[in-house]
Amino acid sequence: LAKTTQPISMDSYEGQEVNITCSHNNIATNDYITWYQQFPSQGPRFIIQGYKTKVTNEVASLFIPADRKSSTLSLPRVSLSDTAVYYCLVGGDNFGNEKLTFGTGTRLTIIP
Amino acid sequence: DAGVIQSPRHEVTEMGQEVTLRCKPISGHDYLFWYRQTMMRGLELLIYFNNNVPIDDSGMPEDRFSAKMPNASFSTLKIQPSEPRDSAVYFCASSTTNSNTGELFFGEGSRLTVL
Repeated sequence: LAKTTQPISMDSYEGQEVNITCSHNNIATNDYITWYQQFPSQGPRFIIQGYKTKVTNEVASLFIPADRKSSTLSLPRVSLSDTAVYYCLVGGDNFGNEKLTFGTGTRLTIIP
Repeated sequence: DAGVIQSPRHEVTEMGQEVTLRCKPISGHDYLFWYRQTMMRGLELLIYFNNNVPIDDSGMPEDRFSAKMPNASFSTLKIQPSEPRDSAVYFCASSTTNSNTGELFFGEGSRLTVL
């Protein structure tokens, strides 16, 4: 499984755009990149998934360069409720056959 | 639709006692996962099932841990005997191969404290 590296923590002010970058140098050809969000006392929640270029949904955007060795989760105009831990995962498209590794995640704190 | 349902939400027990955690996956999901989360080790995959069959249990810490899935709507994670180092939040998650993303749906977790 491709190992991921992401910052331990980040702080940002309300209303700003936040970009969290994840490195995955050993990503395999059939690996997808997925991000989860976890609030205190809750289980992780799926945010977004991509394979290459850019993916956007109502919550976030995911930017993946051509070499796919990194990815950036972009949260537009964050609010206090975006304070959470964000996990970057890399794995195959059939998740049932992969041991997903969540890693330590990035603890994002939004400051009023 | 109801999400993944776990019980109990909180359990406090004494060392040496048996602990049973329960999970009801989302109806129609064919994969079920058990995770453990601690401050020191983060979120670790313990075991996962496909169509009620255990596929990979290499994350199970030791023989004191066992998991079963007798049918598509129910799974248990048992710890016998429990030890203080088993204190953690245990999450159950389910997913379906019919999903385009393989998204995992997590329950709210069972917080276990072993005294």
